[in-house]
Amino acid sequence: DAGVIQSPRHEVTEMGQEVTLRCKPISGHDYLFWYRQTMMRGLELLIYFNNNVPIDDSGMPEDRFSAKMPNASFSTLKIQPSEPRDSAVYFCASSPLVGELFFGEGSRLTVL
Amino acid sequence: GNSVTQMEGPVTLSEEAFLTINCTYTATGYPSLFWYVQYPGEGLQLLLKATKADDKGSNKGFEATYRKETTSFHLEKGSVQVSDSAVYFCALTPTYGNNRLAFGKGNQVVVIP
Repeated sequence: DAGVIQSPRHEVTEMGQEVTLRCKPISGHDYLFWYRQTMMRGLELLIYFNNNVPIDDSGMPEDRFSAKMPNASFSTLKIQPSEPRDSAVYFCASSPLVGELFFGEGSRLTVL
Repeated sequence: GNSVTQMEGPVTLSEEAFLTINCTYTATGYPSLFWYVQYPGEGLQLLLKATKADDKGSNKGFEATYRKETTSFHLEKGSVQVSDSAVYFCALTPTYGNNRLAFGKGNQVVVIP
């Protein structure tokens, strides 16, 4: 069974450009999470969905960040405009049960 | 609020040594507790869990016991291998409410041959 699939694996862009990260969760999982990981701040929860509905977006840093889940098999995280401080590894995770998360391999974003 | 505290700093040890990583938590009620592991270049993976006091979670030779009296969930392994080199995260979810995990800062473990 395929795990959580994220794309792109690596993205290098210039400041001010729009960035879209994509995630395909594991089929049948009701929860989907977006995390950001940096050396300085560790692992931060940005937003999570339950049955495609955003439940908690208190971790979204600012209005430049937005996330959508149009259906049970797809989600996007968009940054517009991007800034150098957004450079990080962004993880998507899905979950069938409270607390048991399955993470993707991450999207490494570098904003120059 | 709900939070997890892990011991500071990386852990470096020799192959076949005994590993302990401390984890203490603050939470109301009866949280569920987890250990996740992140190998280099990968996402986190669930290693083990415990959902009530005195439960012992175990997997791949790792163990952790949910101690409510000391609010702890320390991770142990009796004989580590080089392949156990990774970052280990302690986490909790509250008994009631949402599915928002509270992660610790993680501990880098380096096992030297």
